[in-house]
Amino acid sequence: KAGVTQTPRYLIKTRGQQVTLSCSPISGHRSVSWYQQTPGQGLQFLFEYFSETQRNKGNFPGRFSGRQFSNSRSEMNVSTLELGDSALYLCASSLDVKGDLSPWAGYGYTFGSGTRLTVV
Amino acid sequence: QKEVEQNSGPLSVPEGAIASLNCTYSDRGSQSFFWYRQYSGKSPELIMFIYSNGDKEDGRFTAQLNKASQYVSLLIRDSQPSDSATYLCAVNMESGGYQKVTFGTGTKLQVIP
Repeated sequence: KAGVTQTPRYLIKTRGQQVTLSCSPISGHRSVSWYQQTPGQGLQFLFEYFSETQRNKGNFPGRFSGRQFSNSRSEMNVSTLELGDSALYLCASSLDVKGDLSPWAGYGYTFGSGTRLTVV
Repeated sequence: QKEVEQNSGPLSVPEGAIASLNCTYSDRGSQSFFWYRQYSGKSPELIMFIYSNGDKEDGRFTAQLNKASQYVSLLIRDSQPSDSATYLCAVNMESGGYQKVTFGTGTKLQVIP
């Protein structure tokens, strides 16, 4: 069974550029979440998509955006890159069949390997 | 106040001992709780899930939940050097009609041979 696939693994970009990261969830998983991980802040929630709809969004500026396609693959985009955007970006998929994240369901995350973004 | 708080550590325990990792959360409405393990340079992996008050055991791991005290813990019995990693507590919180998973910053565990 294939896991969560994130591409690319590494990126080096210049300030002011934009970047698009891709995530293919586990087959059958319709929920995809994105997190930013930095040494000081830990895992910070960016957004969550389910069936092509953004259900939740974290406290990040509008430069961070995302979308999900009908095959559940997701992309996130960061425009006008800043030095502080350097981080590991993790995608996580979840078997949230009903879309309500019932608390007793235990729909935990399976994470991808992440994309390491360096902004110079 | 952070939504999910963990002691960053490092927590050092000798091999064979019990490691106790703690987590507190701010949202009383939180309903489900997860523990993830993250090895250095790797992605987090799910190791435990709990939603009812009390203890839940899985092999050498025991998760403990006390909703009244807003406290969740992870016990690792017979700790092994391979358990050395950062342990992340994650909490499902209601947000805008849906649930959002918030992570603590993690506790680094070192198991000394």
